[in-house]
Amino acid sequence: QKEVEQNSGPLSVPEGAIASLNCTYSDRGSQSFFWYRQYSGKSPELIMFIYSNGDKEDGRFTAQLNKASQYVSLLIRDSQPSDSATYLCAVTSGAGSYQLTFGKGTKLSVIP
Amino acid sequence: ETGVTQTPRHLVMGMTNKKSLKCEQHLGHNAMYWYKQSAKKPLELMFVYNFKEQTENNSVPSRFSPECPNSSHLFLHLHTLQPEDSALYLCASSQDSRPQHFGDGTRLSIL
Repeated sequence: QKEVEQNSGPLSVPEGAIASLNCTYSDRGSQSFFWYRQYSGKSPELIMFIYSNGDKEDGRFTAQLNKASQYVSLLIRDSQPSDSATYLCAVTSGAGSYQLTFGKGTKLSVIP
Repeated sequence: ETGVTQTPRHLVMGMTNKKSLKCEQHLGHNAMYWYKQSAKKPLELMFVYNFKEQTENNSVPSRFSPECPNSSHLFLHLHTLQPEDSALYLCASSQDSRPQHFGDGTRLSIL
């Protein structure tokens, strides 16, 4: 059974701080890693994806991947109240796999 | 026109009814997906279609019947559903195994 684990939160951070969201996965053969943001009552929105070990930066977002530790994280710098949402980690197995396995998500609350 | 459009947005049905959910993607993608999202549970992949051929069926009960007439349209036919089938049903599309883009979902309630 392939699993993706996330702390459900809520994770509360003050406005302007760095929010750190973590995800671990059980399938060592996993190849692609995604972070989705889901506002309450809305659909998931892709914000980052990463395929190789290391860091990938896009604006205020940084995804970090460590395949040896089976760990992927998302950092949000200069957190804003509009970043308050549930963040879903998703993983695919094997090259070219269409099947995404999702974690339960971490609820982030940015306090003004 | 948004990338992935789902209708209806909300649906209330009795356990003996038959209804269908519709999904249309305007992104030129070749793959389409149905997911179920229930409270306190991760998103669950139900079906995958690639170039309108079903490639995944994750042990979904037969009361859910998908149909993919072409790469842009996907349906989920529902009949004799159970109360535990109440959930948000999400459609997504992708080009090959690249990142998936989701529609706004159909909120389904079974009476």
